[in-house]
Amino acid sequence: DSGVTQTPKHLITATGQRVTLRCSPRSGDLSVYWYQQSLDQGLQFLIQYYNGEERAKGNILERFSAQQFPDLHSELNLSSLELGDSALYFCASSVEEATGPSGGNTIYFGEGSWLTVV
Amino acid sequence: QKEVEQDPGPLSVPEGAIVSLNCTYSNSAFQYFMWYRQYSRKGPELLMYTYSSGNKEDGRFTAQVDKSSKYISLFIRDSQPSDSATYLCAMSWNSGYSTLTFGKGTMLLVSP
Repeated sequence: DSGVTQTPKHLITATGQRVTLRCSPRSGDLSVYWYQQSLDQGLQFLIQYYNGEERAKGNILERFSAQQFPDLHSELNLSSLELGDSALYFCASSVEEATGPSGGNTIYFGEGSWLTVV
Repeated sequence: QKEVEQDPGPLSVPEGAIVSLNCTYSNSAFQYFMWYRQYSRKGPELLMYTYSSGNKEDGRFTAQVDKSSKYISLFIRDSQPSDSATYLCAMSWNSGYSTLTFGKGTMLLVSP
């Protein structure tokens, strides 16, 4: 158990709908990352928040948005869903903002939220 | 050409075998290299990381980077059934996690 909690674990929804994925980071971690994993594209970084503020943006569509709340949990909102949005969405957390393992900053992934758009 | 190429496998080996997993990349700016292990229905976990060229060893695992050939490898010695998982390589021009480019992963199956 990584300590990162994601809900829901599975979600099936129709095209055009909107869903919200929720993430609780590990206790003490200030940085939250969202990734999308699909068979076509592999694992791709979407967006990062640190202590409530957006810090980095990756391949995130305009139909997607995220936020990190004062209690540090984060939500990823996906709207106007298309079939191609079907994927596994991971949340990850780390203590620090910008450093990686070379700086002793380890990232921990949750178990993901499986989204199926039909 | 994709930035990071990784054979999807599956790679099937008997227990005790030496496993070699590889990635090639095209971006010469990549300096930080990582390997993640992902069990079925789980999130990836960071296994190894290296900076620039060279080798790094951790127990049964050795990560190797050859920047001149744009080629990285992960060797697993004395492979165990518990090593059965998908292995993702990842790399970046900086040390953070938001700029990583991932390979699609190689599925490894170690049979008892």
